[in-house]
Amino acid sequence: GAVVSQHPSWVICKSGTSVKIECRSLDFQATTMFWYRQFPKQSLMLMATSNEGSKATYEQGVEKDKFLINHASLTLSTLTVTSAHPEDSSFYICSAPQGSYNSPLHFGNGTRLTVT
Amino acid sequence: AQRVTQPEKLLSVFKGAPVELKCNYSYSGSPELFWYVQYSRQRLQLLLRHISRESIKGFTADLNKGETSFHLKKPFAQEEDSAMYYCALTGAGSYQLTFGKGTKLSVIP
Repeated sequence: GAVVSQHPSWVICKSGTSVKIECRSLDFQATTMFWYRQFPKQSLMLMATSNEGSKATYEQGVEKDKFLINHASLTLSTLTVTSAHPEDSSFYICSAPQGSYNSPLHFGNGTRLTVT
Repeated sequence: AQRVTQPEKLLSVFKGAPVELKCNYSYSGSPELFWYVQYSRQRLQLLLRHISRESIKGFTADLNKGETSFHLKKPFAQEEDSAMYYCALTGAGSYQLTFGKGTKLSVIP
């Protein structure tokens, strides 16, 4: 079945540095991908919608300059957390729909980011 | 604004007992409702969607537009059903999902 690969699974970085997280659709093309954030014991919160070949659409309250999204190809979207701070520590998950609107989403395994 | 409410954070049932995970939603148009499941240390995956009207792993969910609910049910719980369950909603013509806070199901052997 369709798989979404997310890398890395976990990363630890120092405050002030930037971290890039990759999300790949392995056996299907995805013109749209979604980035979520999950705080401990809380639900997934949509951060932004990544669109291949155009700018990402950010949800209200999400800083565009802090969470840079690049969707350079039909199988890859990246999320870069710039100038990371401890409050950015969280679980980041990407997903991609296989097919048309209302198609089920396939989720990556997530990336646990810890900023020290 | 669209919203999904799962009132129970944790639900514990004995093996063989019926299970019902509650989900209520708020949406102005015609929603698409989904249930996603996350087993321990695994990725989130689709369990079922209301439009398919299918039963997956013995689970069913019926969309009740009058009560704006999409409760997940299973007549006899099994230990392997223990997981985190998320109810989610999307609008017609949209990919974006709005998730509930999730309910952790624990099946006691």
